Amino acid sequence: DARVTQTPRHKVTEMGQEVTMRCQPILGHNTVFWYRQTMMQGLELLAYFRNRAPLDDSGMPKDRFSAEMPDATLATLKIQPSEPRDSAVYFCASGSRGSEQFFGPGTRLTVL
Amino acid sequence: AQSVAQPEDQVNVAEGNPLTVKCTYSVSGNPYLFWYVQYPNRGLQFLLKYITGDNLVKGSYGFEAEFNKSQTSFHLKKPSALVSDSALYFCAVRPQNRDDKIIFGKGTRLHILP
Repeated sequence: DARVTQTPRHKVTEMGQEVTMRCQPILGHNTVFWYRQTMMQGLELLAYFRNRAPLDDSGMPKDRFSAEMPDATLATLKIQPSEPRDSAVYFCASGSRGSEQFFGPGTRLTVL
Repeated sequence: AQSVAQPEDQVNVAEGNPLTVKCTYSVSGNPYLFWYVQYPNRGLQFLLKYITGDNLVKGSYGFEAEFNKSQTSFHLKKPSALVSDSALYFCAVRPQNRDDKIIFGKGTRLHILP
């Protein structure tokens, strides 16, 4: 049963610390998405990749967030430095061109 | 601007009754339409999609959705609600000739009352 995996599932950190979230997309999927979910803003698209190339990161705060795909099996989302307003659940999703997206279980980030 | 609207933040339905969760969209061209469900502390889970063909689409867990082009709607339905259907439901649309991005609605919280 292929699924998207995300690590860590939970992260508590202090303001100013670097946070790295990792995602393993479903094998064979060529698009990867990062979303952030909060009660206030709902589900927001932060960035997405096709064939490992970043296509759109307009939803990301550029000064502190970065997203990369070092290889086809790994996508990372980094926050440096983290701030309390970054507290949210971060989801990774993968898909193929034209198909639905498959979501991971999320990383719940709390920045104190 | 291209958008998806879920006009109800919350829907309450008695167990055993039919349920409808509403969705309307505003996109150019012929969109792909999706419904996702999110249970507490879980990721979004795909329920069903409409791309082309029959306007009534059947999906997981007994859910179905009807595409209505003239009303630009894609309402989610189930003939008989279960308590276990209580969750957050998202409608989403991908404009046909755009890239892979999907536009999600704000979500509708469905409560099935025993």
